[in-house]
Amino acid sequence: LAKTTQPISMDSYEGQEVNITCSHNNIATNDYITWYQQFPSQGPRFIIQGYKTKVTNEVASLFIPADRKSSTLSLPRVSLSDTAVYYCLVEELYNFNKFYFGSGTKLNVKP
Amino acid sequence: EAGVAQSPRYKIIEKRQSVAFWCNPISGHATLYWYQQILGQGPKLLIQFQNNGVVDDSQLPKDRFSAERLKGVDSTLKIQPAKLEDSAVYLCASSLGRGGGNEQFFGPGTRLTVL
Repeated sequence: LAKTTQPISMDSYEGQEVNITCSHNNIATNDYITWYQQFPSQGPRFIIQGYKTKVTNEVASLFIPADRKSSTLSLPRVSLSDTAVYYCLVEELYNFNKFYFGSGTKLNVKP
Repeated sequence: EAGVAQSPRYKIIEKRQSVAFWCNPISGHATLYWYQQILGQGPKLLIQFQNNGVVDDSQLPKDRFSAERLKGVDSTLKIQPAKLEDSAVYLCASSLGRGGGNEQFFGPGTRLTVL
């Protein structure tokens, strides 16, 4: 089971691009990388998932280098409403998937 | 599309009492998860169902926690007897399948306070 390491917290200002990096040195060949966002008093919400290179959707981009030992979630032009905890997970692709929610990164967006 | 429903939203009990939580996943989702989230920590997976079968309950404290998913749809999680350290938010999630590539959809959670 590939555990993940993320910064405990980050500060940013509205309008800036935010990059949150996650380390997963023991990632296996068939593992996917997934990011979730959690607001206070709510369950986590899926943001983006990828296997290698770059994935982009309407809210974020995910950059995964060739060795896949880390990944970076990029949030363009953050707003106050992006203040939340962001979790990086490594999930097995096939069959019985093991995964692990770490403590996450608390992003604080300031005006 | 309706999301994952959980009830109750809040529950306060005294230690050694029993409590049950209910979850109704998104229609058609085969996989159901129960998590425990202690304040300031990430969610901890307690049990994972595939339809009505358990595929992972390695982190479920089986001496006091139990869960079932009869008919492969709704699920209940029970704690009997509760301890002070069980105070947490209990999250239910569901996904179409299991494994990487399957997005989990979370319910709002049940906040349990054990006094």
